Amino acid sequence: EDQVTQSPEALRLQEGESSSLNCSYTVSGLRGLFWYRQDPGKGPEFLFTLYSAGEEKEKERLKATLTKKESFLHITAPKPEDSATYLCAVQPTTSGTYKYIFGTGTRLKVLA
Amino acid sequence: DGGITQSPKYLFRKEGQNVTLSCEQNLNHDAMYWYRQDPGQGLRLIYYSQIVNDFQKGDIAEGYSVSREKKESFPLTVTSAQKNPTAFYLCASSIAGGSYEQYFGPGTRLTVT
Repeated sequence: EDQVTQSPEALRLQEGESSSLNCSYTVSGLRGLFWYRQDPGKGPEFLFTLYSAGEEKEKERLKATLTKKESFLHITAPKPEDSATYLCAVQPTTSGTYKYIFGTGTRLKVLA
Repeated sequence: DGGITQSPKYLFRKEGQNVTLSCEQNLNHDAMYWYRQDPGQGLRLIYYSQIVNDFQKGDIAEGYSVSREKKESFPLTVTSAQKNPTAFYLCASSIAGGSYEQYFGPGTRLTVT
């Protein structure tokens, strides 16, 4: 069964304390892996798409990487405004292109 | 600015009433989706549409209905048959037919008492 697991469920960091969020996936084939940021009471905001193992994407303090089994979202020197829930989704090749499987997210709190 | 709008932001209904949630996009996307988000669960797909006048059930379609008469619009009706309708509903759109990111609306929080 296709599955996405995110860890940790919640993470508290001091401002400037770098860390990584994990997204592990089990799919027969991967069309793409997507990272989103979601603020409380709002819709997810697209961050990155990764397609193949070894690929990396960066945006400001965020860097997403991909292996054959998992993806990491690295946060360098985070600021309080980076506090949000980060969602990971995978699009498997075994389903139609409408299918996106979402993880339950990592709730990140960055303390000033 | 291009984007997706959902209305209303908050909606309150009594049990037994049908309610329709609005979703409009001006991104010129062919594909549109409705998801439900509950605490501690990943987004679950209710319905999707990849082209005007066509839509398909997702994983949890029971008690919901949709229409896609225009490319820009994909309204969702929550019927009285939905047993647990209180949730946060998200509409999304994307380019159809490939591996493309989805763009989400701001969501509608529905409370049924």
